[in-house]
Amino acid sequence: QKEVEQDPGPLSVPEGAIVSLNCTYSNSAFQYFMWYRQYSRKGPELLMYTYSSGNKEDGRFTAQVDKSSKYISLFIRDSQPSDSATYLCAASGAGSYQLTFGKGTKLSVIP
Amino acid sequence: DAGITQSPRHKVTETGTPVTLRCHQTENHRYMYWYRQDPGHGLRLIHYSYGVKDTDKGEVSDGYSVSRSKTEDFLLTLESATSSQTSVYFCAISTGGNYGYTFGSGTRLTVV
Repeated sequence: QKEVEQDPGPLSVPEGAIVSLNCTYSNSAFQYFMWYRQYSRKGPELLMYTYSSGNKEDGRFTAQVDKSSKYISLFIRDSQPSDSATYLCAASGAGSYQLTFGKGTKLSVIP
Repeated sequence: DAGITQSPRHKVTETGTPVTLRCHQTENHRYMYWYRQDPGHGLRLIHYSYGVKDTDKGEVSDGYSVSRSKTEDFLLTLESATSSQTSVYFCAISTGGNYGYTFGSGTRLTVV
């Protein structure tokens, strides 16, 4: 079992919808959680960064971590066609120099 | 991508030939990583470096070697390319895993 599990999708939603992307993890030592966005034929780019439990909001994006259930979520409000990409969750422990990635969820936002 | 470049961007090579991919950074980050990305497998770590001449294996290191003689350069060598090594290769840099990685634009390698 991979330490970070992510439904690969694909996920297709109409423009303007609220999108929910989710990951689960098994390593209790994970304290830092990230979401990366990867456009087709590009490298992943850091989208959201969260430490420990709680929510973090940045514009239309909200990252949520529930350490009690080992659940990581990314919400996208008012989704746009430009949000069409693959979203990867990632986690690391304190003092670690390595990230553990989920396999990514491919999202398509249909105009 | 700012501060990190990969070369070449695309390469087609024949089975059995050695291939070297280059990652160059201008950020002076300590950690550098090589990943491959394949459908159904996501990102898989090949090798990483935690300083000049300090490298270690990742989960899919067989058939690959790396070298880091300068802080800014991290080379990945496929010693004898096989068709199973056809993939997209990403380099990443970091000051530490807690702060996330910055990825390069990738090298698309095809082994025929």
